[in-house]
Formats: sequence, C-alpha cells, structure tokens
Amino acid sequence: ETGVTQSPTHLIKTRGQQVTLRCSSQSGHNTVSWYQQALGQGPQFIFQYYREEENGRGNFPPRFSGLQFPNYSSELNVNALELDDSALYLCASSHPGRETQYFGPGTRLLVL
Amino acid sequence: QQQVKQSPQSLIVQKGGISIINCAYENTAFDYFPWYQQFPGKGPALLIAIRPDVSEKKEGRFTISFNKSAKQFSLHIMDSQPGDSATYFCAASPEGSGTYKYIFGTGTRLKVLA
Repeated sequence: ETGVTQSPTHLIKTRGQQVTLRCSSQSGHNTVSWYQQALGQGPQFIFQYYREEENGRGNFPPRFSGLQFPNYSSELNVNALELDDSALYLCASSHPGRETQYFGPGTRLLVL
Repeated sequence: QQQVKQSPQSLIVQKGGISIINCAYENTAFDYFPWYQQFPGKGPALLIAIRPDVSEKKEGRFTISFNKSAKQFSLHIMDSQPGDSATYFCAASPEGSGTYKYIFGTGTRLKVLA
C-alpha cells in the first residue's frame, strides 16, 4: 500500500455538471500530482501542487482546477463536465525534492 | 518530443519465461525513468526506476536496461509468474523542472500463462 487514498472510488455525473475528487497523501509528502487515465491509455499529467500552490500544469483547460491543504489532502475540481472527461483520476504524492511518486487507487469518473 | 513510445501493446509469456517491454524517448532532458505496474481497478505501483548514468539496474526478478545513446530503455521480468499479469507503464520525468511531471507510455498488457 502506498498510503495514498482517494475518494470516492466511483462517480457518475452528467455533462455540464461539476465534480470534486479528493486525495489524502502520505504524511510528509507535500507535493501532490493529479493524472487522468483514459481507458487503455497511460496516465496524463494534469497538474502538481507544492505547498498549496500550483507548481506545473499539463495540457488541460482551466476548468480543471485544484486545491491542496496543509493536512496533506488535496482536491481536483472539474467544471462543465464533458463526455471525454470520463476516466480514472489518479493522485500521486511525493516527498519534496524526490522524483518517486506514489499513486492512490484512483477515482473512476463516468460522464453521461 | 514529449512522448514516450512503449511496445509491445500486449504480451503473452509462459510461466518461467522472460518478459521484455521496451520504451523509447526523444527528449534528452528526461533524467528519471520509472516503471509502474498496474492491476485492474488499482493505481500504478512503482516497480523500479533508473537514471541515465546507469546502464542497468536489477531488483529481484525485475531489471531495467538503459541505452542512453539510443534513447531507449527496457524492462525485463525474469522467471515470469502468473501473478505478474498486469499492465506495465514506463515513464520519464524531465530534469530540473522542479515539477516531477511524468510522461507515461501507453502501457503493455502482460499475461503470464500458468
């Protein structure tokens, strides 16, 4: 086990709605990254947070946003959901200054 | 240039055999190359990782071979077991960005026959 937890495990939303996904990192890991994994594909980097500030972003539109809290938890928010947002959303935590990222089990989002 | 190309897409190996998965990259700024194993319904789990200054790294039955000049690296699973049946992803991370943004390959679905 990586010590990274995510909730909920599964979620169904309709197009246009908003969703919030949650992640709890390992204690001491103040860097968290979020990834989107479409079915049959590798994870794609969405963004990373370090000390509660966004610290790098992949090729995702602004309707994907995040928050990181002092207690090593974080959120991924997606507004105006589209059908293509259906995917497994993974968070990964890492120790500051270390490349190794530890992934949670993911939240599977289905947008109808 | 940001891509990591992974092959094969799927692989079937007999129990006890060697599984080999290959990855190639273009961006020479990549300097950290992890391999992840993912079982259905689970998040990726780190298997083994390597830096370009090392040509080979072995941990148990898992070995990474790295060819810096060819910009290729591969995962070898020795004595493959049915429990190794999973999807394997290679990844690469750029140097010095302060953001450990992994670029993942598209994955290899490995099935080890009993």
